[in-house]
Amino acid sequence: DIQMTQSPSSLSTSVGDRVTITCRASQSISSYLNWYQQKPGKAPKLLIYAASSLQSGVPSRFSGSGSGTDFTLTISSLQPEDFATYYCQQSYSNLWTFGQGTKVEIK
Amino acid sequence: QVQLVQSGSELKKPGASVKVSCKASGYTFTTYAMNWVRQAPGQGLEWMGWINTNTGNPTYAQGFTGRFVFSLDTSVSTAYLQISSLKAEDTAVYYCARLSYSTSWYYVDYWGQGTLVTVSS
Repeated sequence: DIQMTQSPSSLSTSVGDRVTITCRASQSISSYLNWYQQKPGKAPKLLIYAASSLQSGVPSRFSGSGSGTDFTLTISSLQPEDFATYYCQQSYSNLWTFGQGTKVEIK
Repeated sequence: QVQLVQSGSELKKPGASVKVSCKASGYTFTTYAMNWVRQAPGQGLEWMGWINTNTGNPTYAQGFTGRFVFSLDTSVSTAYLQISSLKAEDTAVYYCARLSYSTSWYYVDYWGQGTLVTVSS
């Protein structure tokens, strides 16, 4: 199976900060990389698909980049509603896998 | 609008079985495959596999073969997850999630609300 490793596992930050989360695949996955946001007690929500395509309705402060094995999710100016856990997920293989998650907390 | 509505929470004893349902509405059920995702308490998301809603063919992730079965009733646009021989470590929220696509890109665009399965004696 393709392993997905996110870093950091958690981070403390402030409203207005720029946030970058990294996801690394154990082998090349081209651009078959999706990002999801999950808030406590809620189902995940799709933010980015195909590494850099913004899902409809998602604010433009979210962006994704990368290809091959290294990917980044960037939040340009963190808003109060962005405190959540973020997951990357590969869809290159017929057997999908998620990263372990990155929890974004208030400093 | 697209909705995936799952069955309610379950409390089961070790060794029992459980069947979770996921009723889809707002789209043609057989056009999109269905994923199942597990989230143990305080843990991350774990992809369990998916089922082709057109053919009924399931694909299971490692660790979800044998006791886990995906099935369908297309007449009522519903997907099912059955877990047999339940263990305490099966305690988790189980999500159904629609597999969508754009050209050759695949992702989940809609999720059910989740079903909490608790296994305890």
